[in-house]
Amino acid sequence: EIVLTQSPATLSLSPGERATLSCRASQSIHSYLAWYQQKPGQAPRLLIYDASSRATGIPARFSGSGSGTDFTLTISSLEPEDFAVYYCQQRSDWPTFGPGTKVDIK
Amino acid sequence: QVTLKESVPALVKPTQTLTLTCSFSGFSLNTRGMRVSWIRQPPGKALEWLARIDWDDDKFYSTSLKTRLTISKDTSKNQVVLTMTNMGPVDTATYYCARSLLSFNWFDSWGQGTLVTVSS
Repeated sequence: EIVLTQSPATLSLSPGERATLSCRASQSIHSYLAWYQQKPGQAPRLLIYDASSRATGIPARFSGSGSGTDFTLTISSLEPEDFAVYYCQQRSDWPTFGPGTKVDIK
Repeated sequence: QVTLKESVPALVKPTQTLTLTCSFSGFSLNTRGMRVSWIRQPPGKALEWLARIDWDDDKFYSTSLKTRLTISKDTSKNQVVLTMTNMGPVDTATYYCARSLLSFNWFDSWGQGTLVTVSS
């Protein structure tokens, strides 16, 4: 099983600031990585797939990068609606998810 | 518009079998390339993929849970059913169904999720 680790566990930022979230895989997953956003009481929403492609309707302030074992999700300027938990997921093998990074308001 | 909705009992007793039903619209599991998965999330914890069924009736299970899971589909009703045997308190979680495609193997549409509590 491919294990994903995410850091930091919590990121406390203010609206307008830049958020940088990290996801690391236990072995190479090429570019088979996605990022999801989850708000309380809601299902996850696909933001980024194939490491760097934005899903339909996702604002340009969200961007993804990386390949192999190290990946990054960047939110260039936090909007109030961006405060949520973010999960990475790989599909190089059977799907696994990271433990999540909570982005909360400083 | 693709929608999915889970129907599950809110409370299950230990050792019982859980039956989860995913009802969907906006696509058909008769269409080549369509896939539906079950994913769960214990309270405050990460997501865990459980099982998947494909348009051609191929079935796939989490290695750690495969002895307890059975997935099936009823294409006439646009439903996917997952049974999980021998439920225990650690199985308390929100259960989601989600769609993916052969051509886009990411979870692009999710149900709202339903909490299942395992308790005597």
